Amino acid sequence: GNSVTQMEGPVTLSEEAFLTINCTYTATGYPSLFWYVQYPGEGLQLLLKATKADDKGSNKGFEATYRKETTSFHLEKGSVQVSDSAVYFCALRSGGYNKLIFGAGTRLAVHP
Amino acid sequence: EAGVTQFPSHSVIEKGQTVTLRCDPISGHDNLYWYRRVMGKEIKFLLHFVKESKQDESGMPNNRFLAERTGGTYSTLKVQPAELEDSGVYFCASSQDWVRGGLEAFFGQGTRLTVV
Repeated sequence: GNSVTQMEGPVTLSEEAFLTINCTYTATGYPSLFWYVQYPGEGLQLLLKATKADDKGSNKGFEATYRKETTSFHLEKGSVQVSDSAVYFCALRSGGYNKLIFGAGTRLAVHP
Repeated sequence: EAGVTQFPSHSVIEKGQTVTLRCDPISGHDNLYWYRRVMGKEIKFLLHFVKESKQDESGMPNNRFLAERTGGTYSTLKVQPAELEDSGVYFCASSQDWVRGGLEAFFGQGTRLTVV
């Protein structure tokens, strides 16, 4: 069946460090891929998405490229800020509607 | 425009009691989804409404869970009787219909349920 695996956290970084959160998936067909973020005390927000192979999603300085050959969708940011501290979820959608399959989430803590 | 709203934000109940969670989707969104995150694990799909009809309820864990969406507006998720393993964060999401390009699901803040 479909599944998403992402690196365990917590990830602790200093401000302005480079961030990578790994995400790999297993899916039939051609899924769409997403990164969601949950800031403290808030709901899930869509951070970025990619709907086909080699697409690059980007938002707020974050990027992720849909790699079909490695079934991956790693999240990167060149210089993190304290305000990026949150839990990040990788997810896929295979088929119609928004029946999303999520990874376990990775908590990121950025300190000054 | 108001986002997806969930009530209550937190609930602590005793094992065996009943709890009802409510979700108000974004106005005009036909699709409504319930998800659950248990003990820091992955967020899992529970069910999906299209208007007032259950499109997919394959993720509902057992018959102690009952979801309704009367009139196709807000939805409730009732757990009766609650068990310890039902503790977690329950998320609701909504999206438009496909014809209007409803590719993005908007999530609420979640209801944190603790069963003691």
